[in-house]
Order: sequence, then C-alpha cells, then structure tokens
Amino acid sequence: GENVEQHPSTLSVQEGDSAVIKCTYSDSASNYFPWYKQELGKRPQLIIDIRSNVGEKKDQRIAVTLNKTAKHFSLHITETQPEDSAVYFCAASSGNDMRFGAGTRLTVKP
Amino acid sequence: NAGVTQTPKFQVLKTGQSMTLQCAQDMNHEYMSWYRQDPGMGLRLIHYSVGAGITDQGEVPNGYNVSRSTTEDFPLRLLSAAPSQTSVYFCASSYPGLAEFFGPGTRLTVL
Repeated sequence: GENVEQHPSTLSVQEGDSAVIKCTYSDSASNYFPWYKQELGKRPQLIIDIRSNVGEKKDQRIAVTLNKTAKHFSLHITETQPEDSAVYFCAASSGNDMRFGAGTRLTVKP
Repeated sequence: NAGVTQTPKFQVLKTGQSMTLQCAQDMNHEYMSWYRQDPGMGLRLIHYSVGAGITDQGEVPNGYNVSRSTTEDFPLRLLSAAPSQTSVYFCASSYPGLAEFFGPGTRLTVL
C-alpha cells in the first residue's frame, strides 16, 4: 500500500518568514494530494489540494508543488502569521484509500 | 447541514468491554472512513466504505468492525477493547477521490 513520509516533524519560524513542509509518497498510482491543518483539540481541515495533472497550485499565502517523477510534493506558506501555528498533514490517494504523513508541528513566533 | 457528526465525544472503557462509535453525515457522500490519531503517528486509516453495503479494511483494521447499511451512517465497533486502542478516533466523508470532511472526533481511553 501507499506510504507517505513527511518532513520536518517540527518547524519553528519567525512571523513573516516562509515555511516549507515536504512529503514523499511511494505509490505511483496516487493522483490526489490534499493538505490538512489541525489546530489543538480540533479536527483536521483541508487547506489546499492538488491533482497529479497539475504541477503547482496557489491560494493566497499557501502554495503546493508536485513532482510526479520524484514522487514528492511540498507545502509553502509565505508571510507566516501566529495563527498559522498548527499541525499540518499531507496525504496521498489513488482513489479509495487515503494515507497521511505523520504531521509537522509549525510554530510561528511573533 | 450538520456535516459529519460523531458520538460520543469522550468515552472511558475497561479492557474487554465493547462499544460502538457512531458517525453520520448529511452531505450524501458515498465515501466514509474511520481513522485513529495517535501522537507522532498522524492519521491511520482503520476501515472505509465506498457506498452502502460495501466496506474494506485500511491500514490498521484489527480489533475493529464496521458496517454501512445506509449512505448516512458508518458506525465503528470495538468488540473487546484493549489499552492499545486508546486514541482519538475521527470519522470522515467525501466524494470518491476528493478531500475528506472530518467529524469532531471521539477521545477513547481504555483502562
């Protein structure tokens, strides 16, 4: 089955700086890659997603890139704010079976 | 439109007890799933269903049963609870191949 690895496990940045989280996947059949944000004690919520026929997608301060050949995808957050502090999860799916990375705890220091 | 709902929010069980975690969605999603979340291990898929009457195993199915008699409901059953099943459980639903909407979670402790 699919295996998703996520790095780093923790990330601390200064407010205004950029943050990058990277994930790799193993199953070449995976074609959908969502990113979730989970605040403490809350449920995971989708923040951005990308399909395998697209190399990059952007939504305001958040962008995701996908390299199908290398089987890795990344989340980029620019101009970070304290409210971006949370745990971020990447995931990969080939249709019916979503697999998640272990998560990255992002801390944005004011 | 309530989205995905789960009950109970908290539960404490003794080893060997059984219980059912309830999950319901009102978005007419075909796909529903159950995950457990443990510190440092992300979300691990327990079971999923692509429609009423169809279920399949995920990454960590042992010790759990599911059924899908209607589109709306997808209960998770623990037949004989063990301390290793102490976790936060999330139910989710989606259209096939798209991002999942998660319920609020159930925090389960097995003593």
